[in-house]
Amino acid sequence: AQSVTQLGSHVSVSEGALVLLRCNYSSSVPPYLFWYVQYPNQGLQLLLKYTTGATLVKGINGFEAEFKKSETSFHLTKPSAHMSDAAEYFCAVSEGRDDKIIFGKGTRLHILP
Amino acid sequence: DTAVSQTPKYLVTQMGNDKSIKCEQNLGHDTMYWYKQDSKKFLKIMFSYNNKELIINETVPNRFSPKSPDKAHLNLHINSLELGDSAVYFCASSHLQGGGANVLTFGAGSRLTVL
Repeated sequence: AQSVTQLGSHVSVSEGALVLLRCNYSSSVPPYLFWYVQYPNQGLQLLLKYTTGATLVKGINGFEAEFKKSETSFHLTKPSAHMSDAAEYFCAVSEGRDDKIIFGKGTRLHILP
Repeated sequence: DTAVSQTPKYLVTQMGNDKSIKCEQNLGHDTMYWYKQDSKKFLKIMFSYNNKELIINETVPNRFSPKSPDKAHLNLHINSLELGDSAVYFCASSHLQGGGANVLTFGAGSRLTVL
């Protein structure tokens, strides 16, 4: 069965600094991978997804993630953090188009002024 | 026009009561889901329906009963509420038959507090 591990339940970065949120997955087949963001008192929104093809995936709001099969990782990055990026970020995996999506435990991103 | 809408947004009730949460999507999606998010933000799938047919049923107490009257609606009924049922319940939808990855569109959540 697939699983997701997000390293660090809380990450703090200064405004303008690099954002790096870590995600490692476990899957018996080539996975579909996702990053979702949850702003306070809202539902989750898709940031980006990896299915096949190019391993560097660009998403909304300047975020991107790179699929590294050898490291079973799908870390999320953004070159320069904005205050508006403060939110909860979830990495997720599924093993097929019609398979259930399993979420990691989330990482709360804090942006320091 | 909200894509996935849930009602009510907040629900406070006593232990032992029965309550329902409703969900509607206007995206034309064929699959709908219920997820439970606990106080530590852990998000766990409970059920999913594809074209009104139950396809995922995780280990959930049988006090929880989903009902899908049509593709656009998935309601969650909870009997004999317990303190541990307090959580935020998210409805989501997706289009499984469209090809590509299964991308979920979430509602804003329904916060259930059991006293």
